[in-house]
Amino acid sequence: AQKVTQAQTEISVVEKEDVTLDCVYETRDTTYYLFWYKQPPSGELVFLIRRNSFDEQNEISGRYSWNFQKSTSSFNFTITASQVVDSAVYFCALSEAGEGPNAGGTSYGKLTFGQGTILTVHP
Amino acid sequence: NAGVTQTPKFQVLKTGQSMTLQCAQDMNHEYMSWYRQDPGMGLRLIHYSVGAGITDQGEVPNGYNVSRSTTEDFPLRLLSAAPSQTSVYFCASSYLGASGYYNEQFFGPGTRLTVL
Repeated sequence: AQKVTQAQTEISVVEKEDVTLDCVYETRDTTYYLFWYKQPPSGELVFLIRRNSFDEQNEISGRYSWNFQKSTSSFNFTITASQVVDSAVYFCALSEAGEGPNAGGTSYGKLTFGQGTILTVHP
Repeated sequence: NAGVTQTPKFQVLKTGQSMTLQCAQDMNHEYMSWYRQDPGMGLRLIHYSVGAGITDQGEVPNGYNVSRSTTEDFPLRLLSAAPSQTSVYFCASSYLGASGYYNEQFFGPGTRLTVL
């Protein structure tokens, strides 16, 4: 069974600090996808990134960066120079390969979410 | 595109009442799913569908029914509401990429349900 653990329930930082959100996952699949979603106070879920299990390159997008390490089953998310607008709940999620029915797949990309990390950035 | 829409945004039910949460998407996505979000537990999959006429159970299906008669719509039915079903419900959709695998899921704005 798949499992995603976000050990940090809440993190509080002051604006301009760097912050890293941890994500550790478990799966028996050799092909899988990892995601990060942001849930701001307004409640919607905003997609941030998807990473394939066979691509361990780190990724940077503006102030956001992601560190994927298969050896430790981790997919950590760092926000550089945090801002008040970064205050949100952040979810890490894992999906099996999710082959479509025409390919004979049965997992259909179902997402398993971590518990979420509440990030509060103070001015 | 409106993306994924959900109605209603808020709902209060009494124990034993039934209701349907509506979900629609205009992106022609094959895959649709329902999740519930409870404090400290992240989101958990209730039911999902890979196309019209095809549905299956997720992690927490008890007390919920679904059907998929069209590509666009995926309603979630609560047959006899219980206080344990108080939660925020999210509908999501996704599509097959060129690789043959499903891409990221797009979520609706959510429905906040309270069962008294």
